[in-house]
Amino acid sequence: GESVGLHLPTLSVQEGDNSIINCAYSNSASDYFIWYKQESGKGPQFIIDIRSNMDKRQGQRVTVLLNKTVKHLSLQIAATQPGDSAVYFCAENGEGNYGQNFVFGPGTRLSVLP
Amino acid sequence: KAGVTQTPRYLIKTRGQQVTLSCSPISGHRSVSWYQQTPGQGLQFLFEYFSETQRNKGNFPGRFSGRQFSNSRSEMNVSTLELGDSALYLCASSWESGSGGLNTEAFFGQGTRLTVV
Repeated sequence: GESVGLHLPTLSVQEGDNSIINCAYSNSASDYFIWYKQESGKGPQFIIDIRSNMDKRQGQRVTVLLNKTVKHLSLQIAATQPGDSAVYFCAENGEGNYGQNFVFGPGTRLSVLP
Repeated sequence: KAGVTQTPRYLIKTRGQQVTLSCSPISGHRSVSWYQQTPGQGLQFLFEYFSETQRNKGNFPGRFSGRQFSNSRSEMNVSTLELGDSALYLCASSWESGSGGLNTEAFFGQGTRLTVV
């Protein structure tokens, strides 16, 4: 499979537990954020997004929290499953409020233990 | 609906050569962006095309270029390849209602793994 990062921070959780993955973003002017999941050998897969006029958004088993004061984003995964094992990236929109020019974080490797 | 398709999946080139990578976006998507992914630098934005025009550009040298065709398909080209250009090149497409559309989620292809020897 593809090596997306040799020294990524790793989060290990027990199957069935909740996972929290954190991300610090850099640009206080960013107003759109996305979480992506990347499995070995695949491209990043969209999980959930949030705009800066919100501080929380929920999807299926996932919740994203945005704290603009401290420029912090988190992804919560409920009842973590083996299929959730992957590298997770946060991304913020770059300069300008239109188009695709995302700035990605370094990623966190999530390992789900049986 | 077919996803983003990138060709080829794997490529080996020699230093000094040039390479062209291809991306077919999801049907109806007019924005196509390109990213370079390496273990050391992570995912880095190269450029974005919308309606055949480069709309956003990352911080890469001029050896990296791209274009978009009227059917929204895109190609990127790297000239005078260097060993450091070895990476996974990812293409992403997104849908917008118009030229001034807000940022929206991008859907990625599986990438082209380029190895420069």
